[in-house]
Amino acid sequence: DAKTTQPNSMESNEEEPVHLPCNHSTISGTDYIHWYRQLPSQGPEYVIHGLTSNVNNRMASLAIAEDRKSSTLILHRATLRDAAVYYCILKTGANNLFFGTGTRLTVIP
Amino acid sequence: DSGVTQTPKHLITATGQRVTLRCSPRSGDLSVYWYQQSLDQGLQFLIQYYNGEERAKGNILERFSAQQFPDLHSELNLSSLELGDSALYFCASSVDPSESSSYEQYFGPGTRLTVT
Repeated sequence: DAKTTQPNSMESNEEEPVHLPCNHSTISGTDYIHWYRQLPSQGPEYVIHGLTSNVNNRMASLAIAEDRKSSTLILHRATLRDAAVYYCILKTGANNLFFGTGTRLTVIP
Repeated sequence: DSGVTQTPKHLITATGQRVTLRCSPRSGDLSVYWYQQSLDQGLQFLIQYYNGEERAKGNILERFSAQQFPDLHSELNLSSLELGDSALYFCASSVDPSESSSYEQYFGPGTRLTVT
């Protein structure tokens, strides 16, 4: 399975934008980039996914580099509820997810 | 609320015992996945069922087995339990009409298993 690299932890002030980076230099042409997050004491939660173009939804935006070797999850205004572990995952044909260690986001009030 | 339900929420049992964890997927979802989350291993994929048939296997021990029933609910059976099996077990579901990479998964709240 293709590997992703994320910082172990990041901090953000409340109500400021957060940019969570992910490197995936071995991505293949058919890999989708998925982001999930896990809030404390909860199951993982789908955030967003994309293939080549940037994507927006009600939760976040996903910016994908032109060469697709990296991507950035953007939370436009961090709230305390956004404090979680964020996972960047590459999905190939099989639909199961392979989670790495993710980025622990701390939101400072 | 993801729409995926798991029971029980907590389970405490002794080594050597057998337990069954239950999962009901979101309405309309045909695929069910099981994951294990432990402190030292992180989140690991165990097994996937699609419309009653096993589709993919991950790091699932031989002591563990699963099945998906005609009503699409799934059960994960863990036997000859060891202390190291203590973990959170999550079930997820997705629409997954094919082996497409583009479908998201919806996770249940998990079952916390403690083996003493």
